[in-house]
Amino acid sequence: EAGVAQSPRYKIIEKRQSVAFWCNPISGHATLYWYQQILGQGPKLLIQFQNNGVVDDSQLPKDRFSAERLKGVDSTLKIQPAKLEDSAVYLCASSLAGGAGYEQYFGPGTRLTVT
Amino acid sequence: QKEVEQDPGPLSVPEGAIVSLNCTYSNSAFQYFMWYRQYSRKGPELLMYTYSSGNKEDGRFTAQVDKSSKYISLFIRDSQPSDSATYLCAMSDTGGFKTIFGAGTRLFVKA
Repeated sequence: EAGVAQSPRYKIIEKRQSVAFWCNPISGHATLYWYQQILGQGPKLLIQFQNNGVVDDSQLPKDRFSAERLKGVDSTLKIQPAKLEDSAVYLCASSLAGGAGYEQYFGPGTRLTVT
Repeated sequence: QKEVEQDPGPLSVPEGAIVSLNCTYSNSAFQYFMWYRQYSRKGPELLMYTYSSGNKEDGRFTAQVDKSSKYISLFIRDSQPSDSATYLCAMSDTGGFKTIFGAGTRLFVKA
């Protein structure tokens, strides 16, 4: 079974530029999560999708971050404009259903550096 | 007060030692308790999860949950250098919808 795929793996941009990350979850997984992991901290949920609907985006900085999951499969996360404090690893995870949040499978992450 | 507290370490042990990793939490709504392992520059990998209180064993790993104390533990027996990683505790509510992660504990197992 293929795991969660993410691209790119690394990205370096200047502040005020925009960037987009892509995620393809495990086949059949209805729930998709985007997390931000700052160095030395645990993952922090940015947004959670159930199929193509948003379940929780309470911690998403909506003035600069946006995400979509068209057709309930893959997803993109965008930052525009980026700030220095956005430097982090962006992790995508998926689970079979929203009620299976205790069994999430993570991708390798995208390491973003904002200079 | 954070919902989940985890000592960041680092924790350094000799090969073969028994390792104890711990987390405390404040939200009594948490019913699922998970442990993830994260190697450097990799995504977290689920080791095991436990529902409610009690123990669960998987090979060299044992997870314990004490809901009365709001305290969870992961024990690693016969630790190996390949166990060197960051261990994240995580917790979900009854429906499994809301998940919170601890900050992670860095573990080094010396050969």
